[in-house]
Amino acid sequence: GQSLEQPSEVTAVEGAIVQINCTYQTSGFYGLSWYQQHDGGAPTFLSYNGLDGLEETGRFSSFLSRSDSYGYLLLQELQMKDSASYFCAAYGGATNKLIFGTGTLLAVQP
Amino acid sequence: GAGVSQSPRYKVTKRGQDVALRCDPISGHVSLYWYRQALGQGPEFLTYFNYEAQQDKSGLPNDRFSAERPEGSISTLTIQRTEQRDSAMYRCASSLRVSTEQYFGPGTRLTVT
Repeated sequence: GQSLEQPSEVTAVEGAIVQINCTYQTSGFYGLSWYQQHDGGAPTFLSYNGLDGLEETGRFSSFLSRSDSYGYLLLQELQMKDSASYFCAAYGGATNKLIFGTGTLLAVQP
Repeated sequence: GAGVSQSPRYKVTKRGQDVALRCDPISGHVSLYWYRQALGQGPEFLTYFNYEAQQDKSGLPNDRFSAERPEGSISTLTIQRTEQRDSAMYRCASSLRVSTEQYFGPGTRLTVT
């Protein structure tokens, strides 16, 4: 089967750095994506790692290690608006579909 | 349109009724995906299309669920003989081509009473 695991909740303070981890077990894995979802909203794409290493997009960075079946999302200079759920999603399989993880609820406190 | 649209936004139906959920993807997007999302969970893959061809329907829970995209644009997800366990947020997404960067619609909240 396919599964992706993340911590259910993370709390951090404004201005801090937080790392959200994701471990996966999938077949036909191509890469790992990250999505953000605010309460009551639709998921929005943040990043994709098709290769091992770090991808940086502004305050957000994402990392992938295929040998460890592990990735993380790093959020720097946290802002209150970053409070949301974050999902990792594995891309691949026989038909190139996206399988989402369980999600991590990030609470940013003042 | 500017983004993915879905209708209706809310649907309340009685157990045993059929429902049809509509998705209008971003213009020009080849790929269209259907997901189901329970509260506090990640989107669960149901099915997806490239143009009008259904590429993968492995996530459809059972044969009461079906989807079509006859002209390669608008798609309809149909649930026959609804059951209470079908209550969930149903989300549609589209992408320019098969991609991890998918644009999600606002969803249809289905409640089966």
